[in-house]
Amino acid sequence: GAVVSQHPSRVICKSGTSVKIECRSLDFQATTMFWYRQFPKKSLMLMATSNEGSKATYEQGVEKDKFLINHASLTLSTLTVTSAHPEDSSFYICSARDHLNEQFFGPGTRLTVL
Amino acid sequence: DAKTTQPTSMDCAEGRAANLPCNHSTISGNEYVYWYRQIHSQGPQYIIHGLKNNETNEMASLIITEDRKSSTLILPHATLRDTAVYYCIVRVASDAGKSTFGDGTTLTVKP
Repeated sequence: GAVVSQHPSRVICKSGTSVKIECRSLDFQATTMFWYRQFPKKSLMLMATSNEGSKATYEQGVEKDKFLINHASLTLSTLTVTSAHPEDSSFYICSARDHLNEQFFGPGTRLTVL
Repeated sequence: DAKTTQPTSMDCAEGRAANLPCNHSTISGNEYVYWYRQIHSQGPQYIIHGLKNNETNEMASLIITEDRKSSTLILPHATLRDTAVYYCIVRVASDAGKSTFGDGTTLTVKP
C-alpha cells in the first residue's frame, strides 16, 4: 500500500517554543491530508483537514492559531504547534487520502513539552 | 458518520482465529465498513473494508450481516504481532479522513 511518513518521530521541547511536524505522502499525491491527536489510552481525534493550496479546516474546539497547518505541495503537509505547553503533549498522527479516496496513516509523532 | 460499538477488549490464543465484532445499526446505504488496527505507539494500519459482500484479503476476512447492522473481522490465525487496538469505522467512501474513531477493541493474543 501507499506510504505516509512523519518527521520527527519523537520530539521534546521546552514550554513556549514552537514545534513543526511534517507529513509526507511518499509514493502518491494527496490533495487532502488529515491531522489527528491521540492522548494516552484514548482514541484518535481529528484536529483538522489540510487541503493543498488552501486553508485548513479545523474541527470544533481546535485553535487554528495554535495549530498552524500548511499544505504547500501535493506530498507535504506540516503542523506547527505554536507556543507549546505541557498539555499539548500528545501523539500526533497524520493521514493522506489518495485519488481512490483511500486513507493511509503516518507512523505518528510523539510530542513531549516540558 | 454512523456510530459503531465494539467490545472493549478480547483475548485470543496464538494460532487460533480471532473474531472481532462490531455493531453499526444506524449505517446508511452508502456507508462502507472499514477496519483499522493500531499497534502500540504506531499509526493506524488499514486492514479491510466492505459495503455489503463479505471480503477477504491477505490479512483478514470481513463478514457483514445481510441487514448490514453488524460485522465481524476475522483474523484466521492470530499471532502475537496481531496484538493491537482494532477500530471499526463506517463512512461514505468519499469521506476518507472524516471518520470518527471510537474506542476500538483491544485484542491481546496470548501464547
